Order: sequence, then C-alpha cells, then structure tokens
Amino acid sequence: EVQLVESGGGLVKPGGSLRLSCVGSGFTFTNGWMSWVRQAPGKGLEWIGRIATKSAGGTPDYDASVKGRFTISRDDSKNMVYLQMDSLKTEDTAVYFCVTALSKSVYWGQGTLVTVSS
Amino acid sequence: DIQMTQSPSSLSASVGDRVIITCQASQDIRKSLHWYLQKPGKAPKHLISDASNLESGVPSRFSGSGSGTDFTFTISSLQPEDIATYYCQQYGNLPRTFGQGTKVEIK
Repeated sequence: EVQLVESGGGLVKPGGSLRLSCVGSGFTFTNGWMSWVRQAPGKGLEWIGRIATKSAGGTPDYDASVKGRFTISRDDSKNMVYLQMDSLKTEDTAVYFCVTALSKSVYWGQGTLVTVSS
Repeated sequence: DIQMTQSPSSLSASVGDRVIITCQASQDIRKSLHWYLQKPGKAPKHLISDASNLESGVPSRFSGSGSGTDFTFTISSLQPEDIATYYCQQYGNLPRTFGQGTKVEIK
C-alpha cells in the first residue's frame, strides 16, 4: 500500500522559515516524481511544485507564487522529500500535501498544517 | 499558465440524480486531466486519470469524458456518500493547475 506521511508543520512568524518532510513507503521511491500541493483554509487546491526522479535529472519545478522562496529536495536513501519554506507570508498559511503519481494513479499524504502568523 | 474553469461552484441534487460537472482548460491539454473528490478534513482522493480512466476500486457511477479543452465529470446516480468537493487538475503543462472545485450537496 502506498503511503505518504508529512511532518514538520506548525506556527511560524511572517518572514520565518520552516521545513516540511514527507516519507514515502509501499512503492519504489526512486521512481516517484514527488509534488507538493497546498490548500489554504476554506479554499481550493494549489500546486506548489515537484521534483523529478534522479534518473530524470532530479530537478525541481515551482509555481511562480513560491519560486525563490520555497525549495524542494529529495533524499532517496531515506525515502524522503522536503519542502524548505523561507520568507514565509501570512498567505502561505495552508495544509501542505505531499503527492506522487505512479502509473497515472495519484496518491496523497494526509497533510500538515502550516500557520504563518505574528 | 493554463487556467481551469470548473462549473458550477456548487450544486444541490437528490439521491439518485445525475450530476454533471464541467471543466474547461484555457489551452489544449489533450486528455491530461485528473478528477478528485475531497471530503472535509481529508486529503483528496483520485478518481479519474487521462480524462476518462477510472481508478481501480472507484464505483462505476463515476465517469469522465472530453479532450482538448472541454471536459465533463458525471455521477450517474448520486449517493449520500458522494457528498464532497470535486476538483479537476490538468497535467499537460507546468505549472499543474486545478479547477476551483464543485461542492456537491444533497437536496
């Protein structure tokens, strides 16, 4: 069974930083393109970015709303993907989901809440 | 960026009704479209890929169709457990983008 478990959410002040982690299991992690999607309270889904497999270059892509502030990385030895969030703004408050697509099936973690507030 | 225009934003229907949700892409995305449902406080659940391919284990009352820019999601006979918000998402281009969601309620 594919499982994705996020961690690292919490309360942070505007301008601060936070790193989210996601551990994957039940699939060959090295074959998984990993994405992050967020959902502000009461709002819709917003794609943040993704990171390719190492065999495809391991490069990340970002939405313009977070480019330059957020960094996605992966550690295949630990089956982990990370979202480093810097220069956080109040509008970054959301539940952050880790997502992977395997053979066109899409799997989501349960999400972790990030609250940016003074 | 490709804009995904989903409609309606909400609907109310009776158990057993046919429910139709549409999603329009601002550019041709071929058949690169997912559909999800999301219940309050839960992660989205994947229902359909490639516009019309039903995920394993998803009830056959759910279906999808379309290609290019115009897509349709149908629940053939609405059930109480189908109460949720439904989203389309295109994966033909970066950045991936979602529709605004359709909240489905029971009348």
